[in-house]
Amino acid sequence: DQQVKQNSPSLSVQEGRISILNCDYTNSMFDYFLWYKKYPAEGPTFLISISSIKDKNEDGRFTVFLNKSAKHLSLHIVPSQPGDSAVYFCAASNYGGSQGNLIFGKGTKLSVKP
Amino acid sequence: GAVVSQHPSRVICKSGTSVKIECRSLDFQATTMFWYRQFPKQSLMLMATSNEGSKATYEQGVEKDKFLINHASLTLSTLTVTSAHPEDSSFYICSARDPRSSSEKLFFGSGTQLSVL
Repeated sequence: DQQVKQNSPSLSVQEGRISILNCDYTNSMFDYFLWYKKYPAEGPTFLISISSIKDKNEDGRFTVFLNKSAKHLSLHIVPSQPGDSAVYFCAASNYGGSQGNLIFGKGTKLSVKP
Repeated sequence: GAVVSQHPSRVICKSGTSVKIECRSLDFQATTMFWYRQFPKQSLMLMATSNEGSKATYEQGVEKDKFLINHASLTLSTLTVTSAHPEDSSFYICSARDPRSSSEKLFFGSGTQLSVL
């Protein structure tokens, strides 16, 4: 049973517009959430994160929103650029959990068209 | 940021052979490293947690005799896929946390694409 879900396998956006990637989770014990960006045949690179004590975190063009009551988070990229085209993974962590690993969603492939 | 190096980036091998993948933390010491596997269009799935100086912890369904993990030093963990078969073909990625950071952020290696013929 997937604890972190990214229900949209792909998203296509025009350059300059906003990209919104969504992520839902089921485990209420998760208290830290991260977004990673991944290019083919490469390891994921960290993008932005948010602690469960916050509902928003912003870093340049990237903003992550967290809605704990809905167990939902989203990544906003504005303005979107062609170089943002990649697969975006949402991940969650239960800080202090026995293993400390991250649980990943299946990813959303973002295509930003010029 | 912290750097995790993984080698090799790509391996093609015959069925029945063993393949070793190395993961190094270049600018920090990692007592724990995580090995993930990703099949096409699937999520990154944790296979095992590598602990320096002790046995690795394997996730349910991952055969520890098939995926041998050695974490002999604070900067090196190795994953050996023994007697590889075509179904083991996948993208293997290692990761580690920088102990200097309080963040839950994992730093990932560049991954190893294993193709077993």
